[in-house]
Amino acid sequence: EAGVAQSPRYKIIEKRQSVAFWCNPISGHATLYWYQQILGQGPKLLIQFQNNGVVDDSQLPKDRFSAERLKGVDSTLKIQPAKLEDSAVYLCASIEYPPTGLSSGANVLTFGAGSRLTVL
Amino acid sequence: AQKITQTQPGMFVQEKEAVTLDCTYDTSDQSYGLFWYKQPSSGEMIFLIYQGSYDEQNATEGRYSLNFQKARKSANLVISASQLGDSAMYFCAMRGRQGAQKLVFGQGTRLTINP
Repeated sequence: EAGVAQSPRYKIIEKRQSVAFWCNPISGHATLYWYQQILGQGPKLLIQFQNNGVVDDSQLPKDRFSAERLKGVDSTLKIQPAKLEDSAVYLCASIEYPPTGLSSGANVLTFGAGSRLTVL
Repeated sequence: AQKITQTQPGMFVQEKEAVTLDCTYDTSDQSYGLFWYKQPSSGEMIFLIYQGSYDEQNATEGRYSLNFQKARKSANLVISASQLGDSAMYFCAMRGRQGAQKLVFGQGTRLTINP
């Protein structure tokens, strides 16, 4: 099966500009996540969708970040205006929900290759 | 709240040796899952191994095994017979309450395999 697709892979912008990242999860995966990974750190959850509804956006800086998954399939993460500290890799992940076909509740998140953002 | 701690920023190991990457966790949940992911320089997170909190046996997947000590809240990853391709960042992660599928990650350990 095809994996999680993300684009663009790399983006360089000036501070105060805007940027958008796109993610297409594995077909049939109802749950989609956006993680932010700053260099040298572990990924941090920004937002979790279940179909087209938001499950958790408690760590999303809503003054500048927004995300949508209008049709419950692909998703877009937007940053406007960008700050220097937004430089990071933005990882999208998806999972089949409710879990099926996996033993012991593993239900593994599958990640995309990420979108690397550099803010100058 | 859940927390994952990886205390080894970097590890250097000779090829073909075994290596243990440390992970401790904190949670008040009785049911939880522990995961290890590998992140090579290409950036993609690759799932390695999973351990459920009620699993009685330590998980194994090929050269990977998980040393799960529930009372000590540790879930160390053991890689046997290391290979040059094992050089990467390794992340320990936890998922809590059933139905809430998000993962909380540790800071990671950079593993370098020397020839």
